[in-house]
Amino acid sequence: EDQVTQSPEALRLQEGESSSLNCSYTVSGLRGLFWYRQDPGKGPEFLFTLYSAGEEKEKERLKATLTKKESFLHITAPKPEDSATYLCAVQAQGGSYIPTFGRGTSLIVHP
Amino acid sequence: DVKVTQSSRYLVKRTGEKVFLECVQDMDHENMFWYRQDPGLGLRLIYFSYDVKMKEKGDIPEGYSVSREKKERFSLILESASTNQTSMYLCASSFEFNQPQHFGDGTRLSIL
Repeated sequence: EDQVTQSPEALRLQEGESSSLNCSYTVSGLRGLFWYRQDPGKGPEFLFTLYSAGEEKEKERLKATLTKKESFLHITAPKPEDSATYLCAVQAQGGSYIPTFGRGTSLIVHP
Repeated sequence: DVKVTQSSRYLVKRTGEKVFLECVQDMDHENMFWYRQDPGLGLRLIYFSYDVKMKEKGDIPEGYSVSREKKERFSLILESASTNQTSMYLCASSFEFNQPQHFGDGTRLSIL
């Protein structure tokens, strides 16, 4: 069974304090890994797609990386507006191709 | 810009009622999905559809049905609402399965 585990469940940072969120996965073969951001009372908003180990994507203060077992979302010098829940979803080779979501990391950045 | 619209942001219904949640996308996407999101449980797939009139069960289909009569519209139906169906319901669409999903802003449903 495909599994996606995100850690930590919750993270509190001071503004400017860089950190990383982790998404570890167990799938028979990776087709793609997606990162989303979800603000309170809103639906998830797509951030990045990663397809192969070694791939990296960047957007403003966010950088996503991928290995064969896990993905990291690095947040550099975060601001309060980066506060949100970050979700990752993993799509496996074969089967229905429906992504499996992790439970998310709730990030709060204090000014 | 991509848009997925859910008909209601908040909905309050009574136990035993038949409840309809509507979702419309304007991107000509083939695939549409219904999830529920609960604290500590994350996103769980209820049903998905990969074409008009086609539907497949997700991980938790019990107590739900769906309808997709037109490509842009995907409806979730609670046949006889129960209190354990109180949740946030999210609709999503994607062009292909290996493309990212686009989500609506959700319907927070309370069953009393």
